[in-house]
Amino acid sequence: SQQGEEDPQALSIQEGENATMNCSYKTSINNLQWYRQNSGRGLVHLILIRSNEREKHSGRLRVTLDTSKKSSSLLITASRAADTASYFCATDGVETSGSRLTFGEGTQLTVNP
Amino acid sequence: DGGITQSPKYLFRKEGQNVTLSCEQNLNHDAMYWYRQDPGQGLRLIYYSQIVNDFQKGDIAEGYSVSREKKESFPLTVTSAQKNPTAFYLCASSPSGGPENTIYFGEGSWLTVV
Repeated sequence: SQQGEEDPQALSIQEGENATMNCSYKTSINNLQWYRQNSGRGLVHLILIRSNEREKHSGRLRVTLDTSKKSSSLLITASRAADTASYFCATDGVETSGSRLTFGEGTQLTVNP
Repeated sequence: DGGITQSPKYLFRKEGQNVTLSCEQNLNHDAMYWYRQDPGQGLRLIYYSQIVNDFQKGDIAEGYSVSREKKESFPLTVTSAQKNPTAFYLCASSPSGGPENTIYFGEGSWLTVV
C-alpha cells in the first residue's frame, strides 16, 4: 500500500521561483527520503531526514519534517529549468525498519525558462 | 563505473509469454529491489531481497517471480499470470536493509504487451 501522498500532483513555475512540495504519510517512520526522477529514467536520491530531525538543507534543497502531523515538505529555491522532473517522497517505516521503502505518487514539477 | 544495469531497455511481450528482465549491480550491495511504475504513478514494490538466496514478496508480487542466486544479480520474470504487465520496471539496490537505507536505481525497463 502507498504510504506517502504528495501534494500537489503537478506544479508549474517560472525559473527563479521557489517550488514547494508536500508529503503526508500514515505510520511511524525511521526516516523520510526525497527522490527525483527525470522522465523515463531511474530515481536519484536527493536527501534523507531522520525522524528526530525537523529541518535539513542540501544546496538549494530544504526539507522539513513534522512527525506530529506525519508530513514533510521539500523546498527547491531559485528553481532552474533543469529542475523539471518528478519528485517522490519515500518512507522507511518503523515496522519494516530499513528493509524496504514505500514511495508516494510523486509531484511533477515543471520549471519554465 | 559502478552502478546498476538493467536490460533490455525496451521489451515487447506477446500474450501468454513469460519474459525476464535482467538486473546486475557492481556496487557490492546486499539488498536488491524490483519496483513497478505505471504512467504518472508512484512506485510499487514487487519483490525485494536482503541477502543472496533469500527474497520476500512486496505489495504486488502476483504474476511475478525472482531469484537471487548471486549477490550482483536479481532477475525478474513477468509470467503469463500477470494480466496487465505493461509498465516501467525499476531495479534498485542498497548497501543493506538497515536504518537510513538509501536506494540506488537502475535506468529502468519498459515492458509492453503486444
